[in-house]
Amino acid sequence: AQSVTQLGSHVSVSEGALVLLRCNYSSSVPPYLFWYVQYPNQGLQLLLKYTSAATLVKGINGFEAEFKKSETSFHLTKPSAHMSDAAEYFCAVSDANFGNEKLTFGTGTRLTIIP
Amino acid sequence: EADIYQTPRYLVIGTGKKITLECSQTMGHDKMYWYQQDPGMELHLIHYSYGVNSTEKGDLSSESTVSRIRTEHFPLTLESARPSHTSQYLCASTSNYGYTFGSGTRLTVV
Repeated sequence: AQSVTQLGSHVSVSEGALVLLRCNYSSSVPPYLFWYVQYPNQGLQLLLKYTSAATLVKGINGFEAEFKKSETSFHLTKPSAHMSDAAEYFCAVSDANFGNEKLTFGTGTRLTIIP
Repeated sequence: EADIYQTPRYLVIGTGKKITLECSQTMGHDKMYWYQQDPGMELHLIHYSYGVNSTEKGDLSSESTVSRIRTEHFPLTLESARPSHTSQYLCASTSNYGYTFGSGTRLTVV
């Protein structure tokens, strides 16, 4: 069985500050890990994904995440927050190639950017 | 531009009504999924399909049903809607390159 824990349902950062959204996973098989962003009244958009290649993954909009097996973590970061980053972020795990199998999602983190 | 389409975007209906949420994709993907999302909660898989005439129930028990008669179409039906069905429903399809999600249908049953 797989699970994902996102620490902090709400995170607020000032514009220009570092964004750090935490995700820890549990998986009995090598995981494939994903971060999705959801803007209000929209579907989910893939930010980045880890599929057992490089442990530091770069995504869209300046986001990146580092896979740390020893810590079972896949935290999402962005060096400088922008107002347009305000959204809901979901971490997800899959146990199949290329993430085209069932995803297990975390509960999400709502990111607020303070002007 | 989205390649997976969900209609309607918003729906308010009375208890006991039958409804169908539409989901269509133009990418030729075999695998399609329905997720249910409540506010402040994670997405839960309620149905999936690996191809025409293939449907399975997901991890979260749901009173809804689905069909897959054509590759591009994966509708979800509630025979008798109840207030407990109020939620957002997200449709998705996948290829080897990952998931594509629709914009969702926000359902309110009054």
